[in-house]
Amino acid sequence: GAGVSQSPSNKVTEKGKDVELRCDPISGHTALYWYRQSLGQGLEFLIYFQGNSAPDKSGLPSDRFSAERTGGSVSTLTIQRTQQEDSAVYLCASSFYSDNQPQHFGDGTRLSIL
Amino acid sequence: QQPVQSPQAVILREGEDAVINCSSSKALYSVHWYRQKHGEAPVFLMILLKGGEQKGHEKISASFNEKKQQSSLYLTASQLSYSGTYFCGVESSASKIIFGSGTRLSIRP
Repeated sequence: GAGVSQSPSNKVTEKGKDVELRCDPISGHTALYWYRQSLGQGLEFLIYFQGNSAPDKSGLPSDRFSAERTGGSVSTLTIQRTQQEDSAVYLCASSFYSDNQPQHFGDGTRLSIL
Repeated sequence: QQPVQSPQAVILREGEDAVINCSSSKALYSVHWYRQKHGEAPVFLMILLKGGEQKGHEKISASFNEKKQQSSLYLTASQLSYSGTYFCGVESSASKIIFGSGTRLSIRP
């Protein structure tokens, strides 16, 4: 596939459970971003990976959130001990080396915490 | 740090024009514009670089005033397909893009 792929597309889980969200960026894109979008709201920056550099984690809302990117490609966003306020659409985007490059978004994972 | 977009929402009749503004408190390297339709991922429209650049895309164009740290998106002779939420994203340093809260545009026939 040519686009950014995210899985699962929907995830429903109980409060307190851990969840893992996956992002497969466009081949060759060295920059990868995670955003969170609550219903009717804007795009909240979470974390940014660029090549082999240390990620910019400044947007992660709490220590329950973590992300990793293996081999400079696939990324996993993990939320531990989920809370109801974590319910949102989690969007991943990738781009070529990020300066002045358009971001290509995946379709997102809709996370619902019961 | 988040750029401020205005207006928050606008309703137009088909064929009318609109302007969406984006302002930042920080010096900017570039401004990105995206459109998101309901239930879909944001789609890239254009990037504007430092230097007061103006770019166009169909009947959608934008300007970037580096001095004022502002960008404006112009939609002329709006079409039904222009409906959606428009986001500006600002790149101030370290290649990180921070998005505004969005402007919801509704076009009526």
